[in-house]
Amino acid sequence: AQTVTQSQPEMSVQEAETVTLSCTYDTSESDYYLFWYKQPPSRQMILVIRQEAYKQQNATENRFSVNFQKAAKSFSLKISDSQLGDAAMYFCAYRLALGGLTFGKGTLLTVNP
Amino acid sequence: NAGVTQTPKFQVLKTGQSMTLQCAQDMNHEYMSWYRQDPGMGLRLIHYSVGAGITDQGEVPNGYNVSRSTTEDFPLRLLSAAPSQTSVYFCASSYSAGGRGYEQFFGPGTRLTVL
Repeated sequence: AQTVTQSQPEMSVQEAETVTLSCTYDTSESDYYLFWYKQPPSRQMILVIRQEAYKQQNATENRFSVNFQKAAKSFSLKISDSQLGDAAMYFCAYRLALGGLTFGKGTLLTVNP
Repeated sequence: NAGVTQTPKFQVLKTGQSMTLQCAQDMNHEYMSWYRQDPGMGLRLIHYSVGAGITDQGEVPNGYNVSRSTTEDFPLRLLSAAPSQTSVYFCASSYSAGGRGYEQFFGPGTRLTVL
């Protein structure tokens, strides 16, 4: 079974600085999708970034980028120029073959002004 | 588009009561899923569906039933509520075509308390 591990329950960053959130996963599949979701206090789940395993290039969305290391089964999220609005719970997720997601336990990110 | 809608937003039940959490999407997505979110546990998959008439169990299916008679609707039934089912429930849908394939669109969630 696929598992997702986020080893950092909490992280903090100064406004305008860069922070990296870690995620590792376990799978025997060769082609798959990985996601980072953001959950602010409103509890709405918001997609931050998506990575397709067969693509070598790391995904980027504005200030958000990933470091995808397929052999190491690592999928970290880098947030550049952190903003107060980035404060939230961040979840790493692996897409299962039939449509559902397996999530990590999340990392609570605090942004200090 | 309304996206993914869930009703009710909040619900309080007594132990042993049954109820149905409603989920609907208007994006013609083939995949739909139910998750529960507990403190410190992240989201865990309860049941999922790959199309009308097709459902299967996820990680934590016990105590829940689902059915999918239409593409749009995917209700989650609690047969006999227990305090351990106190949680926030999310419904999500996704599709597989185009450049944004497999992105899950989430509903706003239902907060359920079982006394």
